[in-house]
Amino acid sequence: KQEVTQIPAALSVPEGENLVLNCSFTDSAIYNLQWFRQDPGKGLTSLLLIQSSQREQTSGRLNASLDKSSGRSTLYIAASQPGDSATYLCAVRSVYGQNFVFGPGTRLSVLP
Amino acid sequence: GAGVSQSPSNKVTEKGKDVELRCDPISGHTALYWYRQSLGQGLEFLIYFQGNSAPDKSGLPSDRFSAERTGGSVSTLTIQRTQQEDSAVYLCASSLGGYTGELFFGEGSRLTVL
Repeated sequence: KQEVTQIPAALSVPEGENLVLNCSFTDSAIYNLQWFRQDPGKGLTSLLLIQSSQREQTSGRLNASLDKSSGRSTLYIAASQPGDSATYLCAVRSVYGQNFVFGPGTRLSVLP
Repeated sequence: GAGVSQSPSNKVTEKGKDVELRCDPISGHTALYWYRQSLGQGLEFLIYFQGNSAPDKSGLPSDRFSAERTGGSVSTLTIQRTQQEDSAVYLCASSLGGYTGELFFGEGSRLTVL
């Protein structure tokens, strides 16, 4: 059974810092991994999708990497801003299941 | 539509009543998912539809929960005889068919059972 964990559970940083969020999964047989952000009381917004054949994806100040063999992904946020404050979730789609399995999320606070 | 649309956005009901939650996926998306997010908890998979295939119901927590998808588009999640533990945000997502599609979520339906 696929299990996804995220470290840290919460993170508070001053504005302007670069930061890294971590996602680990137990079964490396995946189709892809997707990062989302969730603002309080809202749905999930897709940030980056990495296919299993890819090593990384970039969008603006965000860069996500994938090391499938070790079951790890990182989300790098450059020059953090208060507007980046949200909960960040990763999800993997296992080749053995139809659904996406989600991690518990990292709650990020960027202080002005 | 431009995005995944869910209704109602908020629903308050009394214990024992039935509720229906609606999801309208992105046009052209053949895959549709329902997830549940309880307060302070992660996302729990409920059910998955892919085109005309039989749905994957493996995540439904009890037989009080059911879902259908009409015409390969709109989906309705029905909860019968609601219980207080059913209180949660119910999230719908859709993607293009296949195993590599990006997942897009709606804003969710917040259900409160009194």
